[in-house]
Amino acid sequence: NAGVMQNPRHLVRRRGQEARLRCSPMKGHSHVYWYRQLPEEGLKFMVYLQKENIIDESGMPKERFSAEFPKEGPSILRIQQVVRGDSAAYFCASSPASSGNTIYFGEGSWLTVV
Amino acid sequence: GEDVEQSLFLSVREGDSSVINCTYTDSSSTYLYWYKQEPGAGLQLLTYIFSNMDMKQDQRLTVLLNKKDKHLSLRIADTQTGDSAIYFCAESSNAGGTSYGKLTFGQGTILTVHP
Repeated sequence: NAGVMQNPRHLVRRRGQEARLRCSPMKGHSHVYWYRQLPEEGLKFMVYLQKENIIDESGMPKERFSAEFPKEGPSILRIQQVVRGDSAAYFCASSPASSGNTIYFGEGSWLTVV
Repeated sequence: GEDVEQSLFLSVREGDSSVINCTYTDSSSTYLYWYKQEPGAGLQLLTYIFSNMDMKQDQRLTVLLNKKDKHLSLRIADTQTGDSAIYFCAESSNAGGTSYGKLTFGQGTILTVHP
């Protein structure tokens, strides 16, 4: 049973380019969360999605960041016009339901903006 | 808002016990978690405890929860060099109907195990 799959694991982008990070939840999980880990910091919640719905985006920066979880395919975190401050590890997590007590994380996508 | 605090560093000798401490502020916390992160890797769920429990044991790991003081600890018995990693405490709450999957993390404790 595959875990939470994220790709790419490492991504380098020049300032002003777009970054797309993908996440496939664990089999049977319909709830996806994105977190960001800045260097030497803990993880910060960004957004919570269910299929075709954004449930809570209270942690998303107001501009340049968007997320989706379509009916088919992985969840996508999109960062437009990246800046150096976007360099971080982006983690996806999934759970089987909103009331679940087990939240599993993927291996993360490390974004470096040069 | 919710806040989770951890001490930043802990250094122990191999074979000793490690105790990593965490405090939180959200009185409506439902689940409290411990995750382990090795360099350049993702988060591994170690264990979790429901807020109406005060202790949970899982092999070498013991979690103690003092809900009155909002204090959580993780004890690792017979610590090994492979236990060297960053350990994150996290809490989830159902306050305002938010999802349990919306976790608030501490800043992590770097555990170093010396031979």
